[in-house]
Amino acid sequence: GNSVTQMEGPVTLSEEAFLTINCTYTATGYPSLFWYVQYPGEGLQLLLKATKADDKGSNKGFEATYRKETTSFHLEKGSVQVSDSAVYFCARGLNYGGSQGNLIFGKGTKLSVKP
Amino acid sequence: NAGVTQTPKFQVLKTGQSMTLQCAQDMNHEYMSWYRQDPGMGLRLIHYSVGAGITDQGEVPNGYNVSRSTTEDFPLRLLSAAPSQTSVYFCASSYSGGLVADTQYFGPGTRLTVL
Repeated sequence: GNSVTQMEGPVTLSEEAFLTINCTYTATGYPSLFWYVQYPGEGLQLLLKATKADDKGSNKGFEATYRKETTSFHLEKGSVQVSDSAVYFCARGLNYGGSQGNLIFGKGTKLSVKP
Repeated sequence: NAGVTQTPKFQVLKTGQSMTLQCAQDMNHEYMSWYRQDPGMGLRLIHYSVGAGITDQGEVPNGYNVSRSTTEDFPLRLLSAAPSQTSVYFCASSYSGGLVADTQYFGPGTRLTVL
């Protein structure tokens, strides 16, 4: 089937710690992959994306590499800040009713960074 | 650009009432969609549209109607509200007409409570 599985939170880290949020997907073919971030009280916004195997998406110090061998798209950041506290969603393109534009989301991982 | 706007921000309904959630975008995007966000469930696609005059069902369409008479607007109608429709609703848009999973831009959300 089509699904996205990401590690459950909440994740609590100290400032400057290393962050990894795991994400794996099931799919036929090679869908586009995304990480979205939702800050408290706001809508989702794109953090980074990758459209083909071995692509690395990066933004604001976050990185994720499209791994077709392991069907994974893990999110990493070398040194988190308090301002990174948010909910992070992994998503993939979904061929639903013939439209590739739709997205299927993971359940989200809440990150809290303590000073 | 205002981006994607949604009204109202909050709404309380009684079971059986109907209402329309408004969504508008000023980016001339062809693709628009509605998601609902429930705790522990991530975001699930309700309906989507790949252009004016074209709509289709997503993963959880029951109890909701949509129409797309203009490129800018994509209202979501609740026909007869039920407590199970208590959720946060997000509208999103993207440039592509649904042929590829493009970056989606999200509105700030509408928090709906059905009593």
